Amino acid sequence: NAGVMQNPRHLVRRRGQEARLRCSPMKGHSHVYWYRQLPEEGLKFMVYLQKENIIDESGMPKERFSAEFPKEGPSILRIQQVVRGDSAAYFCASSPRAAVDSPLHFGNGTRLTVT
Amino acid sequence: LAKTTQPISMDSYEGQEVNITCSHNNIATNDYITWYQQFPSQGPRFIIQGYKTKVTNEVASLFIPADRKSSTLSLPRVSLSDTAVYYCLVVGLSGGSYIPTFGRGTSLIVHP
Repeated sequence: NAGVMQNPRHLVRRRGQEARLRCSPMKGHSHVYWYRQLPEEGLKFMVYLQKENIIDESGMPKERFSAEFPKEGPSILRIQQVVRGDSAAYFCASSPRAAVDSPLHFGNGTRLTVT
Repeated sequence: LAKTTQPISMDSYEGQEVNITCSHNNIATNDYITWYQQFPSQGPRFIIQGYKTKVTNEVASLFIPADRKSSTLSLPRVSLSDTAVYYCLVVGLSGGSYIPTFGRGTSLIVHP
């Protein structure tokens, strides 16, 4: 059973370009979470999605960031007009159900570098 | 959501037992305590989860006192490969959904 797959592993964008980060959850998992991690810091929650629905986006910046989890295909985190401050590791996690005792399964992240 | 407090860093030596304590004074009745491990350049990995008393698996043990205001992750006989950041999370219902919230974690360094 393949784990959570994220691609690309590394992404370099120039300021003003768009970044698209993809996440394929584990088979059978319909709940997806996105986190951002800056160097030497913990993970910051961004958004929680369940198939075709955004459940909680309280950690998502109001502008330039969007996320989707379509019925078919991977979840996408999209960052428009990237700035240097967007440089970070972005992790996706999935779980089979939304429950307090259902741990998250993480991918190995996408490292975004904005030049 | 209950706030967690854990040491920023710890040092140990191969073969020793390591105990990392996490404080969560305002844990709610239905909250669970979960620990994750993160190696450099990788995503966090679930280690163990508990509600009360003691939980043990093949990797670690988790001790939770009766008042549940703290918890201790115990790693028996650590090796160099246990060098990682360990996160303590209290997971509960917030705003209608369960959003695991990570703090800074404890950076454990195991020395030869």
